[in-house]
Amino acid sequence: EDKVVQSPLSLVVHEGDTVTLNCSYEVTNFRSLLWYKQEKKAPTFLFMLTSSGIEKKSGRLSSILDKKELFSILNITATQTGDSAIYLCATWSGTYKYIFGTGTRLKVLA
Amino acid sequence: NAGVTQTPKFRVLKTGQSMTLLCAQDMNHEYMYWYRQDPGMGLRLIHYSVGEGTTAKGEVPDGYNVSRLKKQNFLLGLESAAPSQTSVYFCASSTGRGREAFFGQGTRLTVV
Repeated sequence: EDKVVQSPLSLVVHEGDTVTLNCSYEVTNFRSLLWYKQEKKAPTFLFMLTSSGIEKKSGRLSSILDKKELFSILNITATQTGDSAIYLCATWSGTYKYIFGTGTRLKVLA
Repeated sequence: NAGVTQTPKFRVLKTGQSMTLLCAQDMNHEYMYWYRQDPGMGLRLIHYSVGEGTTAKGEVPDGYNVSRLKKQNFLLGLESAAPSQTSVYFCASSTGRGREAFFGQGTRLTVV
């Protein structure tokens, strides 16, 4: 059965801190891994990763995939209160489904 | 730029009542999904469709039915609502091929 596990479940940091969110997976016929940010409503897309070792960056956020060890990390540097959200990791496999982890709830204190 | 639209946004049902949630997308996507989100549980897949006229079960299909009669619409039905179906429901669509899914704004359903 396909599985995506995220850690930690929740995290509280202060503005300016750097955080690392983890996502490990066991997926049949893996194709891609995606990160989403969810504030009050719908998840919004951050990154899609398909190849090992290639870092994707967008401002203070970056992510990398390790297909050998079956995990990905999402880094956020110089955190701001606006980064407070649930961060979701999902995989897409040959079974045509997005399987999501339980998410990491990040709270950034001013 | 409507994207993915869900209706209704909120609903309160009594146990045993039925209802249908509508998801409409205007991006010509082949793949559509229904998820439910409960505290601490992430997004769990209820049913999905890989094209018009097709549907398949996800992780938590019991108590739900779906139909995809038109490519742009994906309907989620609850025949006899139960309190355990109190949740936030999200519809999503994608081109498939592992690219990002686009989400609707969610439907908050409470069954009393």
